[in-house]
Amino acid sequence: EIVMTQSPATLSVSPGERATLSCRASQSVSSNLVWYQQKPGQAPRLLIYGASTRATGIPARFSGSGSGTEFTLTISSLQSEDFAVYYCQQYSGWPRTFGQGTKLENK
Amino acid sequence: EVQLLESGGGSVQRGGSLRISCAASGFEFNRFSMTWVRQAPGKGLEWVSEISGFGGTMYYADSVKGRFTVSRDNSRNTLDLQMNSLRAEDSAVYYCAKGRNMFGPFESWGQGTLVTVSS
Repeated sequence: EIVMTQSPATLSVSPGERATLSCRASQSVSSNLVWYQQKPGQAPRLLIYGASTRATGIPARFSGSGSGTEFTLTISSLQSEDFAVYYCQQYSGWPRTFGQGTKLENK
Repeated sequence: EVQLLESGGGSVQRGGSLRISCAASGFEFNRFSMTWVRQAPGKGLEWVSEISGFGGTMYYADSVKGRFTVSRDNSRNTLDLQMNSLRAEDSAVYYCAKGRNMFGPFESWGQGTLVTVSS
C-alpha cells in the first residue's frame, strides 16, 4: 500500500498571502496524484489531477507541482473561500490512498 | 451536468447488513469507473471500492474485502454497495464518485449518505 503523508497538519495563513501544502508518497506514483478541497458539510471537490492540471472551473491561483514522491499544492493569493481541508490522493495503484489532510485556516 | 445522488443510508446494528445506492445522471454512465469513498465523523477520506465501466473489474480496500460488494446497473445508471457484517468502524458518510475516465481521478462526487453502525 502506498502511504500518503501531508504536511503540515494545519496551516495558518492570512487572506492575500500564499499557501504551500506538501504531500509525500511512500513510493513513486509518477504524476498520478490529485488534490481535493473539502469544506465542512460538503463533498470533496477535485482541484488538481495529473499532479499539475487544474480541473474544470478551478481558479488559476491554484497550482500543483511535483512528480514521483514529492508534491506541492500552492494557492497564490488566498481568498476567504479557500479556507478548507485539502487532501492529496494517489491513483497509481490499488488500494487508492489519501493523505490525512491539511487544514488551511485563517490566521 | 453530472449528478450523483446517494441513498439508502441509515442506522443498523453491528453484524447487520445495508445496501446503499447512487443514482447517476448527466453522463454516459458505462464509460466511466465509479468509486465509493467514506469519511468517518471528524476524520479523513478513505477509499472503499471501485468498479470498471462495464462492471467486470472491482477493487476493494482490505478493511472491507469479503464483507462489501460493489455492483452497477448500466441500464438504470445506478451504483450499489452491499455491506454485510457491519462493524462500528464502518460508520461514516459514504460518497459515490465518478472517475474522470476509466480508473482515473474522482472528478465528481455525490453529497453522501450516512451509515451508522450501533452496538
